[in-house]
Amino acid sequence: EPEVTQTPSHQVTQMGQEVILRCVPISNHLYFYWYRQILGQKVEFLVSFYNNEISEKSEIFDDQFSVERPDGSNFTLKIRSTKLEDSAMYFCATKTVATNEKLFFGSGTQLSVL
Amino acid sequence: QKEVEQDPGPLSVPEGAIVSLNCTYSNSAFQYFMWYRQYSRKGPELLMYTYSSGNKEDGRFTAQVDKSSKYISLFIRDSQPSDSATYLCASKAGTALIFGKGTTLSVSS
Repeated sequence: EPEVTQTPSHQVTQMGQEVILRCVPISNHLYFYWYRQILGQKVEFLVSFYNNEISEKSEIFDDQFSVERPDGSNFTLKIRSTKLEDSAMYFCATKTVATNEKLFFGSGTQLSVL
Repeated sequence: QKEVEQDPGPLSVPEGAIVSLNCTYSNSAFQYFMWYRQYSRKGPELLMYTYSSGNKEDGRFTAQVDKSSKYISLFIRDSQPSDSATYLCASKAGTALIFGKGTTLSVSS
């Protein structure tokens, strides 16, 4: 079965540094999402993205966060100035109209902010 | 308010047992209800989703939604060790999925 690929699998950074998390969606998927999961807590919605613009974002997705599709295929999440509380597993998810409500999640990027 | 609450785990059962996992939600506007399975160090994987009240069956799994009481259930028949995972219920609000905290299930052989 096709997979959503996320890189890196683990990212360690210093507080205040910028990080970019990358996602390669399944071919022909057009809807893109980022979720995060802090250790021991719920999976939380960050942002949805379709047709090169944000469809919806949560309160977590503040001015420090941004998303884009820089080359029309990869989908990235940028955190401009990381904070300790940004440490979490970040999941990319994608879908297309044909998959209805089925989201395909990647295996995640574990972000550790020191 | 957008909340989904899930019974805390962990839950341990012997192989072959029937497992019942439950969630409640607070927002009447929620339309879709899903169950995801998450293995350690992996992203959630969709098991089942349903739009309406009632039951939906897929092999050993049955999803049940009661919109009048805002209650979501997943039943697993003839549980197997390979079913050991964390099970997340979720509801859809707009484009976002709202997840419960998850119940960790362990099936022993």
